[in-house]
Amino acid sequence: SQQGEEDPQALSIQEGENATMNCSYKTSINNLQWYRQNSGRGLVHLILIRSNEREKHSGRLRVTLDTSKKSSSLLITASRAADTASYFCATEAYAGGTSYGKLTFGQGTILTVHP
Amino acid sequence: DTAVSQTPKYLVTQMGNDKSIKCEQNLGHDTMYWYKQDSKKFLKIMFSYNNKELIINETVPNRFSPKSPDKAHLNLHINSLELGDSAVYFCASNPGGILASTDTQYFGPGTRLTVL
Repeated sequence: SQQGEEDPQALSIQEGENATMNCSYKTSINNLQWYRQNSGRGLVHLILIRSNEREKHSGRLRVTLDTSKKSSSLLITASRAADTASYFCATEAYAGGTSYGKLTFGQGTILTVHP
Repeated sequence: DTAVSQTPKYLVTQMGNDKSIKCEQNLGHDTMYWYKQDSKKFLKIMFSYNNKELIINETVPNRFSPKSPDKAHLNLHINSLELGDSAVYFCASNPGGILASTDTQYFGPGTRLTVL
């Protein structure tokens, strides 16, 4: 089954509002990452949170991680039309110390920010 | 300068043909990956190489064969193309080695493969 499932699948908001996306996963992880993909483009790394961290900030982004619930959320504050994109969470499963950097991606949340 | 580049950007070909996609990274990273993104945007890892050595090989048909001539390049060759191979293929790189926890992965712009 798929690691990293996101909710909602699509989110439509007005500029200035906050956007919250959630990600759930199934196995123990080393870290969880969020990526953005603009239409027709490659993925761009946004933020990485390690399994021993609970919250991380980067500019207008805030990520939380709850390993007991195996879930994470990405909050984008004061959204802009330029934030319109697909957002993916990706997990690196814990492999007993040996990591090959294998990421498993969720199916993404499509965020549309209306001007 | 582009960090991770792929060629070609678009590839349209007939069923049964053999084609290659090339990837190069100028970041000095040790690890490179190939991902496949299907029409539903689901992104799945296919292969990973660390310093020219294959370290991840997911359940991918034998028709797909990666080749890493040096650690800056990871090419993907596909034999006997099928309709279901139509997808966007992304290359990525990562500074981490085999024993290092993964860090940011840097993605190329993608190659949209259409098999007719």
